[in-house]
Amino acid sequence: EIVLTQSPGSLSLSPGERATLSCRASQTVSSNYLVWYQQKPGQAPRLLIYGASNRATGIPGRFSGSGSGTDFTLTITGLEPEDFAVYYCQQYGGSPTFGQGTRLEIK
Amino acid sequence: EVHLLDSGGGLVQPGGSLRLSCAASGFTFGNYAMNWVRQAPGKGLEWVSVVSGNGITYYADFVRGRFTISRDNSQNTVYLQMNNLRVEDTAVYYCAKDPYDGSSGWLGYFDSWGQGTLVTVSS
Repeated sequence: EIVLTQSPGSLSLSPGERATLSCRASQTVSSNYLVWYQQKPGQAPRLLIYGASNRATGIPGRFSGSGSGTDFTLTITGLEPEDFAVYYCQQYGGSPTFGQGTRLEIK
Repeated sequence: EVHLLDSGGGLVQPGGSLRLSCAASGFTFGNYAMNWVRQAPGKGLEWVSVVSGNGITYYADFVRGRFTISRDNSQNTVYLQMNNLRVEDTAVYYCAKDPYDGSSGWLGYFDSWGQGTLVTVSS
């Protein structure tokens, strides 16, 4: 099983700032089969990024994904108030597994 | 627009059974694999099971032998039969659609989610 470790566990930033979230895999994620989700309280997760760097339909351009192998990053450039949420990475190179999440809070 | 409506959750005693349903609309249901993903209260996400459009199934180790996923393509519905429930199965259960357009496979991530249904296992 591929274990995903996200860092930091929580991040406190102000609107307009840049957020950088990390996801590290315990082994190489084949074909960069990694996605990012956003989850707000009481809601289901929403797909943001697939294939490590491809934005899902309807996702604003301020969200971008990068990385390969075992190290992946989600960057949010110019935080909007609605971006404060929990973010999860997930790999699908094997049986699907999720990271433990990063909570993005308003400073 | 894709719409997934989860139902069937509730309170059940340890060792009991429950069947969850997920009614889908807005896409050609039989072409897409469907999954169940769960989230324990205050915790992260955990994949449970998948069924392809033509009925191939796969399970996480922690539910294999206790849970059964199935689908009825004529009713656009996917099910999760949960037997021998444990306290640690307490969670919100989400059905989630795989984006792969093909009846016999899946990619393994989730582009649409239901609203979730809460399962509580407690005596």
